[in-house]
Amino acid sequence: AQTVTQSQPEMSVQEAETVTLSCTYDTSENNYYLFWYKQPPSRQMILVIRQEAYKQQNATENRFSVNFQKAAKSFSLKISDSQLGDTAMYFCAFSWGKLQFGAGTQVVVTP
Amino acid sequence: DTAVSQTPKYLVTQMGNDKSIKCEQNLGHDTMYWYKQDSKKFLKIMFSYNNKELIINETVPNRFSPKSPDKAHLNLHINSLELGDSAVYFCASSPLGGETEAFFGQGTRLTVV
Repeated sequence: AQTVTQSQPEMSVQEAETVTLSCTYDTSENNYYLFWYKQPPSRQMILVIRQEAYKQQNATENRFSVNFQKAAKSFSLKISDSQLGDTAMYFCAFSWGKLQFGAGTQVVVTP
Repeated sequence: DTAVSQTPKYLVTQMGNDKSIKCEQNLGHDTMYWYKQDSKKFLKIMFSYNNKELIINETVPNRFSPKSPDKAHLNLHINSLELGDSAVYFCASSPLGGETEAFFGQGTRLTVV
């Protein structure tokens, strides 16, 4: 069975600063997909970034980038130039046949 | 146009009642899901349907019964509601089961009193 672990329940960051969220997963599969989702107070689930396991290059979406270490089964998210609108719960997710989520990390961006 | 829509957004009901949550997607996706988000924000998959066929049933009580009349709709019916059923329920869809990201509805907050 696959598991996804997010070890940071909450992170605080000042505007314009950088924050990195950690995520590890456990699987015996070789081809799978990893995602970061954001859930703001509106509770809408919003895809932030995705990574295919067969791609070595780390995915980037504007201010969001990942550090994918396949051998270490690690998939961290870096938010650069943090903005107040980035305040949300961030979920790491693993997909192989079904999408499974970590427990989430609450990110609070302060002025 | 909303890609994945759920109704209702909020549902307050008494213990023992039966209720349904409806979900529709206009993305042409083959796979649809129901997730439950508990009070600690943990998201757990409940069911997955692919082209109207049930493919995942994650040890959910029999009181929960999904129904997919066509691949664009996946409804969730809950019998004999219990206090522990209070949660946010999300419907989601994806073009291929697990191979791409899922698109989520806005969630239904169910409160059982």
